Amino acid sequence: QVQLQQWGGGLLKPSETLSLTCAVYGGSFSSYYWRWIRQPPGKRLEWIGDVVYSGKTDQNPSLGSRVTMSVDTSKNQFSLNLTSVTAADTGVYYCARTVLNWESDYMDVWGKGTTVTVSS
Amino acid sequence: EVVLTQSPATLSVSPGERATLSCRASQSVSNNLAWYQQKPGQAPRLLIYGASTRATGIPARFSGSGSGTDFTLTITSLQSEDFAVYFCQQYSNWPPITFGQGTRLEIK
Repeated sequence: QVQLQQWGGGLLKPSETLSLTCAVYGGSFSSYYWRWIRQPPGKRLEWIGDVVYSGKTDQNPSLGSRVTMSVDTSKNQFSLNLTSVTAADTGVYYCARTVLNWESDYMDVWGKGTTVTVSS
Repeated sequence: EVVLTQSPATLSVSPGERATLSCRASQSVSNNLAWYQQKPGQAPRLLIYGASTRATGIPARFSGSGSGTDFTLTITSLQSEDFAVYFCQQYSNWPPITFGQGTRLEIK
């Protein structure tokens, strides 16, 4: 059974960098896309970006150049860095395994989520 | 960007009865729609993809239907563990993928 365990985040001050890591236990790390999603309080889920085994990334243009994603294939982990955070970055952040191909793009396994609060 | 609108925001149903949840897209997404269940403090769980295909291990009481702009998630014979928040996600016109705002299914 595939499990995603994520950590990082917590309480940040404005302008700091958010760092999250997600470890994949079980299943194939190379056969899927790995995704970050967030949910601000009271708002709908928002796609942050994807990273794949090769290190190729794709991200939501709305976040500009603040997002950096990476993979550590030796540990089956992937990470998210979000720079210059503001209160608007407050929310629950999820990592997820993604089935992504020409006909599909959905998340079949999710992490439990990490709460990130940005406050001075 | 495709906007998904779910209705109702909250649905009150008695255990054993049927629940019908709606997800409407601002433009056609063909059958490229997924449904998820989320319980407090837990990871979201994939229920349906391709508008009507149940994910692995999902009970048959969960079914999805629709195409184009109008989709329905039906849960028959509601069990206590089914009371949760449900949200839809489209993957037809991306990036970005987008999500509905969720429907909270509560015990009547």
